[in-house]
Amino acid sequence: EDKVVQSPLSLVVHEGDTVTLNCSYEVTNFRSLLWYKQEKKAPTFLFMLTSSGIEKKSGRLSSILDKKELFSILNITATQTGDSAIYLCAGSSNTGKLIFGQGTTLQVKP
Amino acid sequence: KAGVTQTPRYLIKTRGQQVTLSCSPISGHRSVSWYQQTPGQGLQFLFEYFSETQRNKGNFPGRFSGRQFSNSRSEMNVSTLELGDSALYLCASRDTGNTIYFGEGSWLTVV
Repeated sequence: EDKVVQSPLSLVVHEGDTVTLNCSYEVTNFRSLLWYKQEKKAPTFLFMLTSSGIEKKSGRLSSILDKKELFSILNITATQTGDSAIYLCAGSSNTGKLIFGQGTTLQVKP
Repeated sequence: KAGVTQTPRYLIKTRGQQVTLSCSPISGHRSVSWYQQTPGQGLQFLFEYFSETQRNKGNFPGRFSGRQFSNSRSEMNVSTLELGDSALYLCASRDTGNTIYFGEGSWLTVV
């Protein structure tokens, strides 16, 4: 059965810290790995990763995929209180279905 | 370009009733999928439509159904509502690069 597992489930840091969120996946006919940020509303798209070893960056956020070991990480440097959210990882199969992990709840304290 | 639009945003229904939720994808996107999000189960895939055809279906009972129209707009219907159907229902559309974008969701409360 397809599954995506995220760790840690929750994390509390202080502003300025760097965090690493983990995502491992087992998805049949895997196509891509997606990261979303969810505040008190719908998930907003962060990254889509399809190739191993190629880092994607957007400001203080970056992510990389390892298709051999079946995992991805999301890094956030110099965290800010506005980074507080649930971060969702999802594996996409070639049928278009997204399998989501449980999410990591990040709280950034001032 | 407008994002994924869902209506209604909030609704309250009574057990046994049915509900229809609507979704308009991003202009040009032909694939629409639906997800249910609850605190206990997280985000779970309901179904996906492409060019008016259901391409994939999640593990939900037959009370959950959907359809897609020729203009790519989609509706999902839940019949004989149960308390456990209370959730945030998210619609998403997919671009040709397979990136999936979510709407704001419809918050359904069943009492």
